[in-house]
Amino acid sequence: DVKVTQSSRYLVKRTGEKVFLECVQDMDHENMFWYRQDPGLGLRLIYFSYDVKMKEKGDIPEGYSVSREKKERFSLILESASTNQTSMYLCASSLDPGQGAAEAFFGQGTRLTVV
Amino acid sequence: RKEVEQDPGPFNVPEGATVAFNCTYSNSASQSFFWYRQDCRKEPKLLMSVYSSGNEDGRFTAQLNRASQYISLLIRDSKLSDSATYLCVVRVNAGKSTFGDGTTLTVKP
Repeated sequence: DVKVTQSSRYLVKRTGEKVFLECVQDMDHENMFWYRQDPGLGLRLIYFSYDVKMKEKGDIPEGYSVSREKKERFSLILESASTNQTSMYLCASSLDPGQGAAEAFFGQGTRLTVV
Repeated sequence: RKEVEQDPGPFNVPEGATVAFNCTYSNSASQSFFWYRQDCRKEPKLLMSVYSSGNEDGRFTAQLNRASQYISLLIRDSKLSDSATYLCVVRVNAGKSTFGDGTTLTVKP
């Protein structure tokens, strides 16, 4: 079974803190994604990566950065956390669609509260 | 207008009912289509991909209409365990998947 693991289920951080959300997948997937999910707004793509050291902005990249130094790990960084970044953060990974099934597998989510 | 729009819901149906969800998308270059299921406080999981010819998986049937740019999900003989939020997902390319806001289904005894 594919496994996508996020480092924390729940986090509480203070405004202005630098926050790292870690995600690891064990299926050698090329693509990795970070989403946030908010009531009434659905899942919105923050950043994605299709290869090591490659990254692309999603729909809402402002206030976030990412790092992909190894294929299995994709980190989301909040440079200076703000209260409007309180949300559920979901990491996902998938194969390149050109290589067959492009199903995205999600981690269990990190519920971040910024106070 | 949102790129992917779903029926607002919520849908409250009795066990055994047939229920259908629709989803429209705006980008005609969309290539792949999926239905995901998300249980309360859990991550989304793939329910089924949607193929041009339509496809069925047990009680679930998915259809795609490229001309009208919509996909649908039909659930027959609803079970209590079908209660969840159903997310429509449209993919334009490898990196760009857009999720609908989801439709909540509650199946009642």
